[in-house]
Amino acid sequence: EVQLVESGGGLVQPGGSLRLSCAASGFIFSGHWMGWVRQVPGKGLVCVSRIKSDGSITTYADSVKGRFTISRDNAKNTLYLQMNRLRGEDTAVYYCVREQRGFPGFDFWGQGTPVTVSS
Amino acid sequence: DIQMTQSPSSLSASVGDRVTLTCRASQSINNYLNWYQQKPGKAPNLLIYAASSLQSGVPSRFSGSGSGTEFILTISSLQPEDFATYYCQQSYGSPRFTFGPGTKVD
Repeated sequence: EVQLVESGGGLVQPGGSLRLSCAASGFIFSGHWMGWVRQVPGKGLVCVSRIKSDGSITTYADSVKGRFTISRDNAKNTLYLQMNRLRGEDTAVYYCVREQRGFPGFDFWGQGTPVTVSS
Repeated sequence: DIQMTQSPSSLSASVGDRVTLTCRASQSINNYLNWYQQKPGKAPNLLIYAASSLQSGVPSRFSGSGSGTEFILTISSLQPEDFATYYCQQSYGSPRFTFGPGTKVD
């Protein structure tokens, strides 16, 4: 059974940092692109960042470029999102997602971890 | 970036109704269009990929059509568990896989 379990969310002050982790199991982690999608409660979905299966390609939304860094450890089956210089508008639930093979789309999602940026 | 719009933003329907949701892209995305369903407090769930391919495990009452810039999600006979918000997503304009704003079915 595919499982994606996020951790690391919480309350942080503006300008602070947070590192999200996503522990993956039930599939060959190193065979899939992975990503992070965020959602402000009651609002829509934003694809924040994606990373290729071997970590060689990363992509970012304009709103987080230069502040967030996505990475992965295929030996530990874990995806990360390092978030620096956090702003109030980064407050959201962050979902870890698996990109399905064969056609780009997010076929499995974690339960989400909330991030609140506030003083 | 490719912009996605959805209409209507919300609709009221009853069990058994045939429901049609529309998604439009600001430029041609061929068939690189996915549909997701999200229920309150839950993560989204992939329903349709490549505009018309049904994801494994998704009931056959869901279907998708379209190509280029206009896409449709149809629920042939609305069931109680289908009341949710539906999002389209383009996966053509990598790296930015943008989502539409959603349609709430209640």
